[in-house]
Amino acid sequence: QVHLVQSGAEMKKPGASVRVSCKAPGYTFSSSAIHWVRQAPGQRLEWMGWFNGVNGNTKYSQKFQGRVTITRDTSANTADMELSSLRSADTAVYYCARSSDFPIFDSWGQGTVVTVSS
Amino acid sequence: DIVMTQSPDSLAVSLGERATINCKSSQSVLSISNNKNYLAWYQQKPGQPPKLLIYWASTRQSGVPDRFSGSESGTDFTLTISSLQAEDVAVYFCQQYYTTPLTFGPGTKVNIK
Repeated sequence: QVHLVQSGAEMKKPGASVRVSCKAPGYTFSSSAIHWVRQAPGQRLEWMGWFNGVNGNTKYSQKFQGRVTITRDTSANTADMELSSLRSADTAVYYCARSSDFPIFDSWGQGTVVTVSS
Repeated sequence: DIVMTQSPDSLAVSLGERATINCKSSQSVLSISNNKNYLAWYQQKPGQPPKLLIYWASTRQSGVPDRFSGSESGTDFTLTISSLQAEDVAVYFCQQYYTTPLTFGPGTKVNIK
C-alpha cells in the first residue's frame, strides 16, 4: 500500500479553477496510475479520470471532458488535478487513488474538500 | 455507462451476526479473456477515504479480515460480513472496473442493531 498525501482544502468562487495535488512521499508514479474520484455531499463516488504513470497517457470521464486536466509534476513528484469553470455542484471531497495493472484502488489520499460558493 | 445498484440502502445487524450486501451491474462486467468479474468492494468510515476490501468479485485484499467475503452470480454480487464487529460500522460500495467511466454503487450503510 502506498501513502498518498493531498493538498489542503480550497474555497473557490463560481467560474474559477481549482488545482489539487497528490503526493506519495518516497514513491514515484512511474509504475502505476493515479485516479481522481470525487464525492459530493449525499452522492456516490464519481470517477473523474486517470493518469497512467507508465506511458504518460490520461483518460477522462466524458462528464468532465474539457473541464478536468490531470498532470504529473515530475520535479515535485505529484499528480495534480485541475478542474475549471467551477460551479456549486462541484462542491465535494476530491480523492486521488492509486492503481497498478487494473483500475482497482488499493491506496487513497486523505481527501481534499473543495467548496464552490459565491 | 454501467450503472451499479445496491441493496439495501442500510441495514442494522447484531454484533456477531451476518451482514449481507447486494450489488448489481446494469450489464456484464465479466471478461471473456480471463473469466473474471471486474468488481471491487470498498469500506468507508466517516471522515476517511474508502478502503479496498475485495477485488475480482471475491479476492480479499491483503490484510482484510477473513470475515469479509465476496461472491458473484451473473451480474449480481454479494459482500458478506460473516460475524459483524463494532469496527465494521461503515458504508460499503461496489465498483466496476470493466470499462470507463469507472462507476460505483450508491453505498450501503451498516450499523449495529
